[in-house]
Amino acid sequence: EDQVTQSPEALRLQEGESSSLNCSYTVSGLRGLFWYRQDPGKGPEFLFTLYSAGEEKEKERLKATLTKKESFLHITAPKPEDSATYLCAVQAMRDDKIIFGKGTRLHILP
Amino acid sequence: NAGVTQTPKFQVLKTGQSMTLQCAQDMNHNSMYWYRQDPGMGLRLIYYSASEGTTDKGEVPNGYNVSRLNKREFSLRLESAAPSQTSVYFCASSERSGREQFFGPGTRLTVL
Repeated sequence: EDQVTQSPEALRLQEGESSSLNCSYTVSGLRGLFWYRQDPGKGPEFLFTLYSAGEEKEKERLKATLTKKESFLHITAPKPEDSATYLCAVQAMRDDKIIFGKGTRLHILP
Repeated sequence: NAGVTQTPKFQVLKTGQSMTLQCAQDMNHNSMYWYRQDPGMGLRLIYYSASEGTTDKGEVPNGYNVSRLNKREFSLRLESAAPSQTSVYFCASSERSGREQFFGPGTRLTVL
């Protein structure tokens, strides 16, 4: 059965304190792994897609990496505006279903 | 471009009532999706449509039906609402399978 597990559930950091969020996945044939950001009361907003192990993508203070079993979202020198819930999702090769993890709630303290 | 739009934004129903949630996208996307989001459960796929004319069940399809009316529109119907269907519902679209999804603003539904 396809599964996505995100850790930690919640994370509080001081402004400027770098850290990483984890997304462990089990899927038979990965079509793609996706990272989204969700602010309270809004729909998720796309950040990155990763397709194969070893791939990395960057956007401002965020960097996503992928291995055969997990993905990391690295946050470098975060700012309070980076506070949000970060969601990871996977899509299998065999169908078009997408499975989301439960997310990591990130809070950056000024 | 409006992106993905959803109506209504809020809705309160009584148990047993029916309603349809509307979703439209103006990005000429092929694939469309319906999710529900509950505290502690994350986003769960209800139904999806990989392309116009096709629909498939997701993880939690019971109690729901969908219609891919045309390439732009994908509606979700609750035939007989139950309190367990109280949730926030999100519609999303993607250019095709394997590409990123764009989400609507959500519909907050309460069933009494």
